[in-house]
Amino acid sequence: SQQGEEDPQALSIQEGENATMNCSYKTSINNLQWYRQNSGRGLVHLILIRSNEREKHSGRLRVTLDTSKKSSSLLITASRAADTASYFCATDGLSSGSRLTFGEGTQLTVNP
Amino acid sequence: GAGVSQTPSNKVTEKGKYVELRCDPISGHTALYWYRQSLGQGPEFLIYFQGTGAADDSGLPNDRFFAVRPEGSVSTLKIQRTERGDSAVYLCASRDSPNTDTQYFGPGTRLTVL
Repeated sequence: SQQGEEDPQALSIQEGENATMNCSYKTSINNLQWYRQNSGRGLVHLILIRSNEREKHSGRLRVTLDTSKKSSSLLITASRAADTASYFCATDGLSSGSRLTFGEGTQLTVNP
Repeated sequence: GAGVSQTPSNKVTEKGKYVELRCDPISGHTALYWYRQSLGQGPEFLIYFQGTGAADDSGLPNDRFFAVRPEGSVSTLKIQRTERGDSAVYLCASRDSPNTDTQYFGPGTRLTVL
């Protein structure tokens, strides 16, 4: 079963605008990771934020984590058409092995 | 360097047949994971290997699914008596345990059971 829930399920914006996606989860975590997926195939790792971190940046990406609310957000600034993809959050729970539990994803469309 | 590779990229089979899906992890990565992704859903965990042994197989849906990693590198996911509901993209990931928590995914195998 999926732990994460993401909203919105779909987001359509114009190039240059910012895109914000949210993720909620249910159990305690070691870290939370965001992935991008094009055309339903391989997942590309974007960023990892640990449970003791509140905010992290990587290029045009900004991730926040609120463990008290069990939620995270991914902000993509100055979006480009090439950012069009599905975005998934995945939690690494406290159980052994670092198995990831994924949300159902947000489909982002950036219109040129 | 080379990433995770999976073969075949696509597999079409008939209901009741046996299939094998292969994963080549990044060289030196000791942890290997299999996930399954149905259309419109996020990936779901199937099994995790640390070295040669299956450390967690709690995600395997039933006993028709089995996976091996005999030498601690390449892994094969085996599905017996395939059913139409097994149709999905099967994703493999590897991790440089214990040095990182990041999992690197392969391109997946799209399995279609007719």
